[in-house]
This record gives sequence, structure tokens and C-alpha cells, in this order.
Amino acid sequence: QSVLTQPPSVSAAPGQKVTISCSGSSSNIGNNYVSWYQQLPGTAPKLLIYENNRRPSEIPDRFSGSKSGTSATLGITGLQTGDEADYYCVSWDNSLSAGVFGGGTKLTVL
Amino acid sequence: EVQVVESGGGLVKPGGSLRLSCAASGFIFSSQSMIWVRQVPGKGLDWVSSISSSANNKHYADSVKGRFTISRDNSRNSLYLQMNSLRAEDTAVYYCARILTSSHAFDIWGQGTMVTVSS
Repeated sequence: QSVLTQPPSVSAAPGQKVTISCSGSSSNIGNNYVSWYQQLPGTAPKLLIYENNRRPSEIPDRFSGSKSGTSATLGITGLQTGDEADYYCVSWDNSLSAGVFGGGTKLTVL
Repeated sequence: EVQVVESGGGLVKPGGSLRLSCAASGFIFSSQSMIWVRQVPGKGLDWVSSISSSANNKHYADSVKGRFTISRDNSRNSLYLQMNSLRAEDTAVYYCARILTSSHAFDIWGQGTMVTVSS
């Protein structure tokens, strides 16, 4: 079981909005940055969000991140079929002195 | 072009050893912390090990501590992962990635190299 908890799957229709949660503790999310990654089938992960809510320049503003307490959320608006992928959160864990990933969430765009 | 390229994967017997390499180009390698992440095919991402730019700080997941050693050669723009006492559960695609300064976010990923531990 992963230290960070994500829902196994989410789904929504094209054009709609979806959120993916990532729940942790004071050892990780509560006191450290969260970043989010998109992994399309057969490819390496891609950075979507860093430092909780910052986007790399090449990432469209349809993707957003937020953090509150020991949880973080990835939001995706204007869903496209090309957004179908696995999404992962990650944070540093002070107790483990290591990074921890969420178990991943599979997004289906119906 | 900013990129990292992994190599060194393959088939190894349980208890055996393997050394993975990651060649970096297009950025000042000696200024960046680096990380190894692995993924069992069909499963989630697994944080393995990280190393600071000067190699002064190294961190390991509990699952590999004492068996894996991360290192780097800044003169060769290369990152390494020495894997000893390999187990079947170490079978995975191993990715190296660049860590954004002070952020613990991984912005440049390689394509991965497959490690299979099997008799």
C-alpha cells in the first residue's frame, strides 16, 4: 500500500472537469511540496505540477494543483480524450527520509 | 536538447548484481540532484533513490537500502545505480530523472531501462 492515497480511477465526459485527490500526513504532504505527473500508456511520466500549484511553461492552464493540510488535489478542466492516462502525486516524507508516490489514478474520458 | 538516457538493464538471476547508467546532456549536470524511480509493468511508480548535485546527500527507499547504491560522475555527466542482491520483486522499468532545484519535482525523465530478475 502506498503512503500517499489516491483514488484508483476517475472518469468524466469530454469538456468536463475532474479532480484527483492525494491524501497523506504531516510527515509528507503536510510539510512538503507535492508534484503531479501524467503517464500516457507506454511512455515515461511527465511533470504537470510542482511546488503544489506551479505549472511548467509547456503545461496548459487546464491543469491546476492545490494543497490543503495533508491533502493535495489535481484539477483538469476541458477534458480531452488525450488526457486519458495515469496520474501520480509525489511528496517527500520526513519520517522515511525518502520520497513517496501515490498509487496512481487512471483517468477515463468517456 | 535536454535529456537523460538510461542503459544497463537486462536479465539477471536472483542474488545477482547489475549496474544501471544514466547519461545526461543539454544541462549543467553537476548542478542538479537526480533520482531513480522504478515501475513494475502495469503497476504504479516507486521512488527508489536520490542523490544531491555534489553527491553529499543520498537517500534510499527502505526496500532497497543496503542493497542498492546511487552514485554519480559529474565529469562524465552520468548517474549510476549499483544493484546487488537482486530479488524477483526488483523486476521493473527503471527511470532516471532530474530533480528541480529545491523542489523535489522531477522534470526530465528518460525512457527507462528494463531490469528482470529471474532464474
